[in-house]
Amino acid sequence: GDSVTQMEGPVTLSEEAFLTINCTYTATGYPSLFWYVQYPGEGLQLLLKATKADDKGSNKGFEATYRKETTSFHLEKGSVQVSDSAVYFCASGDQGGKLIFGQGTELSVKP
Amino acid sequence: GAVVSQHPSWVICKSGTSVKIECRSLDFQATTMFWYRQFPKQSLMLMATSNEGSKATYEQGVEKDKFLINHASLTLSTLTVTSAHPEDSSFYICSASPPLSSYEQYFGPGTRLTVT
Repeated sequence: GDSVTQMEGPVTLSEEAFLTINCTYTATGYPSLFWYVQYPGEGLQLLLKATKADDKGSNKGFEATYRKETTSFHLEKGSVQVSDSAVYFCASGDQGGKLIFGQGTELSVKP
Repeated sequence: GAVVSQHPSWVICKSGTSVKIECRSLDFQATTMFWYRQFPKQSLMLMATSNEGSKATYEQGVEKDKFLINHASLTLSTLTVTSAHPEDSSFYICSASPPLSSYEQYFGPGTRLTVT
């Protein structure tokens, strides 16, 4: 069945460091891909999305490109801030709205 | 922005009792709501999809008689864990989608259930 795999955490970075969180997926069709972020004590929030191959999603300095050839959707940010500390989830979704999540990656940014 | 609330945020119950968790979309109508379960340090697992006014669709391996889902209105869905056991202890999260926007899901903050 469909699945999403993302790099394990926790990831600890210093402020202004470059961030990459790897995410790969398996799917029988052509899913949409998402990154969600969960701040402490809050619900998941959509960070960015891409609905077809080669699309780039971006928001708040974060970017991810839908790579069909490598079945990947890696999350990147050029300069992280302490406020980016959260758990990040990669997910694939079908047209019916069903989401399959990766296991989450905890990011901790130190000043 | 779209807000989804859950109540209670945490609950402790004894084995054999039932507990109801509410999921509400506060500022939009949700034709579809989803219920997830999350174990510590693990991913969210979809339990069921509920559409307003119809029966929920359960994922494989989820006991429909144990996890009763009711989506009686466009702003409210409930999950009832019946005859709870300690292995049902988990973090339950709901999400809601506006009409014609299946890609958009707005998540509640989750409910921590502990069964003693």
